[in-house]
Amino acid sequence: DIHMTQSPSSVSASVGDRVNITCRASQPITIWLAWYQQRPGKSPKVLIYPGPHLQSGVPSRFIGSGSGTDFTLTIDSVQPEDFATYFCQQAHSFPLTFGQGTRLDLK
Amino acid sequence: QVQLVQSGAEVVKPGASVKVACKASGYNFNSFVIYWVRQAPGERLEWMGWIHAGNGDTEFSAIFQKRMTITTDTSATTVYMQLNGLRSEDSAVYYCARDGRRFRENWLDTWGQGTLVTVSS
Repeated sequence: DIHMTQSPSSVSASVGDRVNITCRASQPITIWLAWYQQRPGKSPKVLIYPGPHLQSGVPSRFIGSGSGTDFTLTIDSVQPEDFATYFCQQAHSFPLTFGQGTRLDLK
Repeated sequence: QVQLVQSGAEVVKPGASVKVACKASGYNFNSFVIYWVRQAPGERLEWMGWIHAGNGDTEFSAIFQKRMTITTDTSATTVYMQLNGLRSEDSAVYYCARDGRRFRENWLDTWGQGTLVTVSS
């Protein structure tokens, strides 16, 4: 199985800050990575899908980058609605696996 | 709009089975894969299996293969997930989710609202 490791596990930021969340795969997955946002008590929502591409309707401040084993989700100018938990997921092979999550909270 | 609506919360006894429904609407049901993913408290999301709603092809995680089934009712555009032999560690929120593309790319673009399953005697 491909193991996904996110860092940091939590990060504090102020509105307007730039935040970087990284995701490392235990083996190469080329471009096959997605990023999700999950607010408390809600279902995950896809932000970035493999390419990377920005999902329709998602603000352009969410930027995905990387390939191979190392990936980054950048939130450029954090907004109040962005305080949530973020997960990466490898879409390269089964079983599909997820990172442990990164909680973004208000500093 | 594309929507997945799941059945309500369940409380089941250890050793029993649970069947969760996922009603799809707003798209061509037969053209997409539906996944099942669960989230236990404090744990990462865990992929369980998938079904192609059109041809019935399935694939399961080795962890669940022996005690999980996924079926569809195409006339009702509904996917069902049944998990047998439940134990306390199966207590979790269970999600159905649709693949982002018709030709399965293994990422999940629309999620159901989740179904809380509690295993308790």
